[in-house]
Amino acid sequence: EAQVTQNPRYLITVTGKKLTVTCSQNMNHEYMSWYRQDPGLGLRQIYYSMNVEVTDKGDVPEGYKVSRKEKRNFPLILESPSPNQTSLYFCASSLFFTGAPQPQHFGDGTRLSIL
Amino acid sequence: QKEVEQNSGPLSVPEGAIASLNCTYSDRVSQSFFWYRQYSGKSPELIMSIYSNGDKEDGRFTAQLNKASQYVSLLIRDSQPSDSATYLCAVNDSGTYKYIFGTGTRLKVLA
Repeated sequence: EAQVTQNPRYLITVTGKKLTVTCSQNMNHEYMSWYRQDPGLGLRQIYYSMNVEVTDKGDVPEGYKVSRKEKRNFPLILESPSPNQTSLYFCASSLFFTGAPQPQHFGDGTRLSIL
Repeated sequence: QKEVEQNSGPLSVPEGAIASLNCTYSDRVSQSFFWYRQYSGKSPELIMSIYSNGDKEDGRFTAQLNKASQYVSLLIRDSQPSDSATYLCAVNDSGTYKYIFGTGTRLKVLA
């Protein structure tokens, strides 16, 4: 089954404790991305990657890191989480054509609470 | 900052009616336009993609794109209570490889 898998689905942690949210896709997609969703603010893109070793900032990258060492994986790293990073996070992937950006497939989401 | 704007709703329609959802965007050169449906607490799921001016139909759904007016809409015919959800409009940012989402319109279909 074609899917984007995020782990963990839920996490409660404390300020300053480094954490990683993993994301894996089995569709051989070049493009992967992380979003956060907050009430009233919609989905905002944190980072994206067009292919292995190619990443770029989205609209809200502060406080986050990413890496793309393999095509299927795109982990999101919070090195020193703060309460304002409490949010619902989604990983997404798509085929990548420069002339016609493709629709994204979303993972089930990770609800992150930072105390 | 490029933007995608949607009326937050809720938009209430009776069962069997046509629901009309609208979206405007600021990037004149965007090439790709998407409608997603999101149930509460769930992930967005793609309903339609549209890339050229005009209408595109898929079952009960029709997407309409007017690039001159920077406007994209979604019509849902024969609305069902199961269509009650938030509908997200998204476009690509032509100057980067980013996607920009609207904040969504909440649709309520009344049985």
